[in-house]
Amino acid sequence: EAGVAQSPRYKIIEKRQSVAFWCNPISGHATLYWYQQILGQGPKLLIQFQNNGVVDDSQLPKDRFSAERLKGVDSTLKIQPAKLEDSAVYLCASSFGTVNNQPQHFGDGTRLSIL
Amino acid sequence: AQSVTQLGSHVSVSEGALVLLRCNYSSSVPPYLFWYVQYPNQGLQLLLKYTTGATLVKGINGFEAEFKKSETSFHLTKPSAHMSDAAEYFCAVSDGGTGRRALTFGSGTRLQVQP
Repeated sequence: EAGVAQSPRYKIIEKRQSVAFWCNPISGHATLYWYQQILGQGPKLLIQFQNNGVVDDSQLPKDRFSAERLKGVDSTLKIQPAKLEDSAVYLCASSFGTVNNQPQHFGDGTRLSIL
Repeated sequence: AQSVTQLGSHVSVSEGALVLLRCNYSSSVPPYLFWYVQYPNQGLQLLLKYTTGATLVKGINGFEAEFKKSETSFHLTKPSAHMSDAAEYFCAVSDGGTGRRALTFGSGTRLQVQP
């Protein structure tokens, strides 16, 4: 089966600019996650969707970050305006079903550099 | 709240030697536990998981981990290291029963394998 697809792989922008990342989960996976991985740290959840509804966005900086999954399939994460501390890898993951023991499948991520 | 502590940000072993990566967790409910591996510029790949049942879990590439509730540990081992095992390893915990299915990750352990 095809894995989780993310684009772009790399993005360089200046602070205060805006940027968007795209994710297409594995076909049939109802749950989609966006994680932020800062260099030297483990991934941290930003937002979790089940189908097109938000399950958890408690750690999403809502003043600058937004995400949507309008048709319950692919998703977009946006940052506007970007800050230096947003430099990180943004990982998208998906899982099948509604129980916690289902493994999450990760994409290769988008590496964002803020100048 | 859940948390994960990985002891040792860097571990170096010789090829053929035992690999031991340590993970301790904190969870207010019975946890689901996972180990993921991350190669450079790639996403995370599931090595193994513990949900219920047998406490010794076998995963891919010869890795295994043992869930010890009394020690709140889930250490990862491999009897004989191979050069291809060099990567970053992340331990993660998931709430074992509620709707929130996101993972809480440790800060990672970078494994180096010396020839």
